[in-house]
Formats: sequence, structure tokens, C-alpha cells
Amino acid sequence: DIQMTQSPSSLSASVGDRVTITCRASQSISGSLNWYQQKPRKAPKLLIYAASSLRSGVPSRFSGSGSGTDFTLTISSLQPEDFATYYCQQSYSTQYTFGQGTKLEIK
Amino acid sequence: QVQLVESGGGVVQPGRSLRLSCAASGFTFSAYGMHWVRQAPGKGLEWVAVIWYDGSNKYYADSVKGRFTISRDNSKNTLYLQVNSLRAEDTAVYYCARDPGHYDSSVYYSDYMDVWGKGTTVTVSS
Repeated sequence: DIQMTQSPSSLSASVGDRVTITCRASQSISGSLNWYQQKPRKAPKLLIYAASSLRSGVPSRFSGSGSGTDFTLTISSLQPEDFATYYCQQSYSTQYTFGQGTKLEIK
Repeated sequence: QVQLVESGGGVVQPGRSLRLSCAASGFTFSAYGMHWVRQAPGKGLEWVAVIWYDGSNKYYADSVKGRFTISRDNSKNTLYLQVNSLRAEDTAVYYCARDPGHYDSSVYYSDYMDVWGKGTTVTVSS
């Protein structure tokens, strides 16, 4: 199975900061990488699909990049509503693994 | 509006079974692949199973293979997950999620999970 590893596992930042979360696959997954945001006691929400495509309605401060094994999610200027847990997920294999999550907290 | 509503969760003893349902509305259910994803208390997301739009292909996580069965009834706009031989480690919120998929050389591929339900809780305890 393809393992997905996110770093960091947690991150403290302030409103207005630029934040980058990294996701690494254990083998090449081409561009088959998606990013989700989850707030406590809520279902996840899709942010980015196919590594860099912004889902309609998602603020443009979110962006994704990468291909092969290394991917990043960047939030250009953190807003109060962005404090949440973020997950990457690969759809290259029919074992659709998630990363362990990155919890973004207010500094 | 586009909506997924899970049901069927509850408290169940180890070794017993449950059938989870996911009712879809607001979109053409038969055109989408569907996933089940679970989240144990305080843990991350774990993909469980996927079924193609027409039910022709099904895939499972190794942790549930042989115990869980995903199915769908496109005439009822409903997705199911039959969960058998439940274990304490199956305790989780179970979400269903929609997958638009795409075709490449006439082959259907799953893509991403763009709409999620609110989840149904399964607790396995004696």
C-alpha cells in the first residue's frame, strides 16, 4: 500500500501568516493527490484536487503544488476560520490512503 | 441541494453486525462513485471502501477486507456498508462521500471525495 506522510503533525501560526504543509507519498502517485480540511466534530471538506486544482468556492489563499512523491498545501494568509486539521489523500491506488493529518492551531 | 445522510450506526457487541446506509439527494446518484471513510475517536481519517458508479468494482482497505461489504441501490439512491464480525477497533464515525471520477480511454477512475455526509457513529463494546 502507498503510505502518505504529512509534516508537520501540528503547527502553531498567527492570523496573516503564510503556512505550508507537506505530504510525501511512499511511491510516485503522479498528480493524484487531494487535500481536505476538517474542523472539530464536522465532516471533512475538499479543498484541492489533482494536486493543484482549487475546488470551486474555496478561497484563493489556498493553493496546492507537487507531483510524484512530494506535495504541498499553502495558505497564503491565514484567516481565523482556517484553524483546523488538514489531510492529504492519494487516489492513485485503489487503496485510497490518507495522511495522518496536520493540526493547525492559533499561536 | 446536494446531500448525503448516513444512518444505521449504534452500539453493538463485538462479533455482531450492522448495516450502514447513506441516502443521497440533489444529484444523479448513479453517475458517481461512492466511498466510506471512518474516523476513530481522536484519530485521523481512514478510507474504508469504494464502489464504482455502476457497482461494477469494489475495493476495500486491508483492515476491513472480508468483514465489510459495500453495495449500492441506484434505484433507491442509497449506498450501504454491511459491517460484520465487529471489533473494538471498528469504533468510529463512518462517513459516506461522493466521488465524481473520470474516464480515461473508456476506463473509469476514482478521483476525490467532493461531498461528504455528517457521519453515523458505530460503537463496538460489550
